[in-house]
Amino acid sequence: TQLLEQSPQFLSIQEGENLTVYCNSSSVFSSLQWYRQEPGEGPVLLVTVVTGGEVKKLKRLTFQFGDARKDSSLHITAAQPGDTGLYLCAGITGNQFYFGTGTSLTVIP
Amino acid sequence: KAGVTQTPRYLIKTRGQQVTLSCSPISGHRSVSWYQQTPGQGLQFLFEYFSETQRNKGNFPGRFSGRQFSNSRSEMNVSTLELGDSALYLCASSSRNSGEKLFFGSGTQLSVL
Repeated sequence: TQLLEQSPQFLSIQEGENLTVYCNSSSVFSSLQWYRQEPGEGPVLLVTVVTGGEVKKLKRLTFQFGDARKDSSLHITAAQPGDTGLYLCAGITGNQFYFGTGTSLTVIP
Repeated sequence: KAGVTQTPRYLIKTRGQQVTLSCSPISGHRSVSWYQQTPGQGLQFLFEYFSETQRNKGNFPGRFSGRQFSNSRSEMNVSTLELGDSALYLCASSSRNSGEKLFFGSGTQLSVL
């Protein structure tokens, strides 16, 4: 079993603050994805990172893949209430997806 | 293009009953995966079907089964329901053209009483 641990599990911050979510594993993945899930909906893909050390930016969100392709981080700048949701990382090996335990983010207006 | 459709959205059953959930993938997608999501365990992989064949299977008991039809629609069945089967069941479809991208439905919320 390829386990991905996310931290923190829960995060509640004020609008405008910055935050970082971590996704760690002892396994190497060919690529890693981040999804956001809103209440009552399925997860929606935010980004895919493929190369070790890769950094991708999506507006206020910055994603980084670890050099060894075992871990990843998601940094949000100036969080907004619309960023509220469950953030899930998923490591991919072959055609298998391994999802992390999730980080539940609440941004308070 | 319509998204992934799961029916029903909500379901209430009692212990010992069985249940069938349905998933219609995005048109043209041939791969359908099923996941169980609970607050304590996160997203757990159940199985994946591709062109009517089960390609991968997670670590769930034999009470959980699935199938895929020639039009790529998929069903999953849970027999002899237990209280612990209460969860959100998510279906995701993908295609070779979408790469490794999973498109999820809104899920079926199953409550076992």
